[in-house]
Amino acid sequence: DVKVTQSSRYLVKRTGEKVFLECVQDMDHENMFWYRQDPGLGLRLIYFSYDVKMKEKGDIPEGYSVSREKKERFSLILESASTNQTSMYLCASSLSTGGRETQYFGPGTRLLVL
Amino acid sequence: DQQVKQNSPSLSVQEGRISILNCDYTNSMFDYFLWYKKYPAEGPTFLISISSIKDKNEDGRFTVFLNKSAKHLSLHIVPSQPGDSAVYFCAASRTGTASKLTFGTGTRLQVTL
Repeated sequence: DVKVTQSSRYLVKRTGEKVFLECVQDMDHENMFWYRQDPGLGLRLIYFSYDVKMKEKGDIPEGYSVSREKKERFSLILESASTNQTSMYLCASSLSTGGRETQYFGPGTRLLVL
Repeated sequence: DQQVKQNSPSLSVQEGRISILNCDYTNSMFDYFLWYKKYPAEGPTFLISISSIKDKNEDGRFTVFLNKSAKHLSLHIVPSQPGDSAVYFCAASRTGTASKLTFGTGTRLQVTL
């Protein structure tokens, strides 16, 4: 069974703080993803990584950065948190099979920026 | 630009009846489609998928239909059960994009007794 874990379920931060969200997967997946989920907007891709130290921007990368130093761990960084980054953050991973991959999600981190 | 659209934000169905959730897409390059189910305070879980070379895929109570000419897919749940109450997201991808998915906005399904 694939397991994707996220470091926190709920987080409250202040505007301007640096925020780290961590994600770990235990299935040796090459691909890892960070999304945010907002009402009426669905899931939007922030960043993804298809290998260690590799990263690519998703659809809404502004205000975020990522780090992947080890295969199993993918971190999302909010350099200076703002109130419009209040959201549910979801991490996912998938195995590279040349297409038709299924993504497996963690439970999510609900972030509130005050 | 919303490339994957779920135009019904919510749907209410009686237990035992059929639930039909719809999804439209605009990018003709998409060739693989998935449905995910999400309960509150949990991450989405994979439900069923379909490749563009097929027009139907079935898994137990869940069937996905794909109409490529209309760029439309639908998820049928028969019979609907109260435990099916959740938000359903459709997602699409295209070959060669490192399994990157584009998600719809979701449909909240409520199955009533």
